[in-house]
Amino acid sequence: DTAVSQTPKYLVTQMGNDKSIKCEQNLGHDTMYWYKQDSKKFLKIMFSYNNKELIINETVPNRFSPKSPDKAHLNLHINSLELGDSAVYFCASSHRTGSNQPQHFGDGTRLSIL
Amino acid sequence: AQSVTQPDIHITVSEGASLELRCNYSYGATPYLFWYVQSPGQGLQLLLKYFSGDTLVQGIKGFEAEFKRSQSSFNLRKPSVHWSDAAEYFCAVNNDYKLSFGAGTTVTVRA
Repeated sequence: DTAVSQTPKYLVTQMGNDKSIKCEQNLGHDTMYWYKQDSKKFLKIMFSYNNKELIINETVPNRFSPKSPDKAHLNLHINSLELGDSAVYFCASSHRTGSNQPQHFGDGTRLSIL
Repeated sequence: AQSVTQPDIHITVSEGASLELRCNYSYGATPYLFWYVQSPGQGLQLLLKYFSGDTLVQGIKGFEAEFKRSQSSFNLRKPSVHWSDAAEYFCAVNNDYKLSFGAGTTVTVRA
C-alpha cells in the first residue's frame, strides 16, 4: 500500500556513468516532483510535472532529464554523473488544485558517486 | 519569493520534556505553511499544515503549531517528547506549487 515508491533505494556508481531513478505514486495525484537533498540536508526542488507536462525546471544541469510516461510515474535520468551529484533524491506527488495541497514524499534514493 | 528560516540547527531535549521548534516566514500575504519530519534514512512525513482560519493547528504524533502573523512565525510544539521524536524537522512554504524548505532542525532526545 506504498503511496510514493522510488527505486532503487541505494545507488552506488562511478563518475561518468548514466543512471536512472524510478518513481511511482498510487495516490491518484496529477502532479509529481523531484527534490535533491544535499549532504547538509538542504532540500531543493528540481522538477515538477503536471499530467505528464513539465511545469517546473529549477536551473538543473541538462544532464538531468525527467520523464513522465503517465501521471503516476516520474523517472529521473542522469547522464555523465559527477561527484557533486552525490545526494539523496526524493520524489513527491500532490494534487495541483491549489497551493494548499500537501506533497507526499517517497523514502528517497541515496546516490553515491565514486 | 516566499521563504522560511529555521534559526535552530540542533536542539537537545530530555524525554518527557516539552519541545518547541522555531520557523519564520517571509511573505506579504497569508502563506501556505507545512511542517515535515524526516526520521533517519526515511522520507519526509507531513506533520501538519496551515492555510487559513484557526491559527493553532493540530497535527499527527501529538504535534501542534501556531501561526502568528505579527511575528511572521509558525512554531512547532509538542508538550512531551518521546525518544521516537528524534529526527530532522523541516518547515516549508508553498511557493507557487514549489515547496521551499528551511534548513531543518535536528532534534536529539536524551533519556
